[in-house]
Amino acid sequence: DIQMTQSPSSLSASVGDRVTLTCQASQYISNYLNWYQQKPGKAPRLLIYAVSDLEAGVPSRFSGSGSGTHFTLTISGLQPEDFATYYCQQSEIFPRSFGQGTKLEIK
Amino acid sequence: EVQLVESGGGLVKPGGSLRLSCAASGFKFSTYRMSWVRQAPGKGLEWVSSISSGSYHIHQADSVKDRFTISRDNAKNALYLQMNSLRAEDTAVYYCTRGDYDDLWGQGTLVTVSS
Repeated sequence: DIQMTQSPSSLSASVGDRVTLTCQASQYISNYLNWYQQKPGKAPRLLIYAVSDLEAGVPSRFSGSGSGTHFTLTISGLQPEDFATYYCQQSEIFPRSFGQGTKLEIK
Repeated sequence: EVQLVESGGGLVKPGGSLRLSCAASGFKFSTYRMSWVRQAPGKGLEWVSSISSGSYHIHQADSVKDRFTISRDNAKNALYLQMNSLRAEDTAVYYCTRGDYDDLWGQGTLVTVSS
């Protein structure tokens, strides 16, 4: 099974900051990497699929990059509504697996 | 409106059974792979099971193998999860999701396994 490891587990930042979240796969997953945002008490929301494709309606301040086993999610110019938990997920093979999440908090 | 609505959660004793349902609307359900993802209280996301559009391919997490069964009825635009031999560690919010990228999620239904 593929293990997904996110870092950091939590991150404090200020409105307007640029932040980068990292996701590492335990083996090669090509471009089968997706990012989700979850706010407390709500269902997750797809932000980015296939490493760098922005889901419809997602602001352009979100961007994804990487390949193979190392991937990043960058948020340029944090907005108050961006403070949430972010999960990566590999969809290369079953069983699907998620990272443990990165909680982005307001400094 | 494009949406997924889960139902069927509740309180059940260890060893008991529950059947979750997910009603899809606003899109062509029969063309999408569908999945169940769960989230234990205060924990991260865990993929549970997926079923292909025509039900030919089914995949499950090891943690639920031989206890949970995913199924679908394309005529009714419905996804199901039959959960048997429930354990305390199955306590979670269960979400149904759409497609290869899980691009649509329901609001979730809470399953609590406790005596």
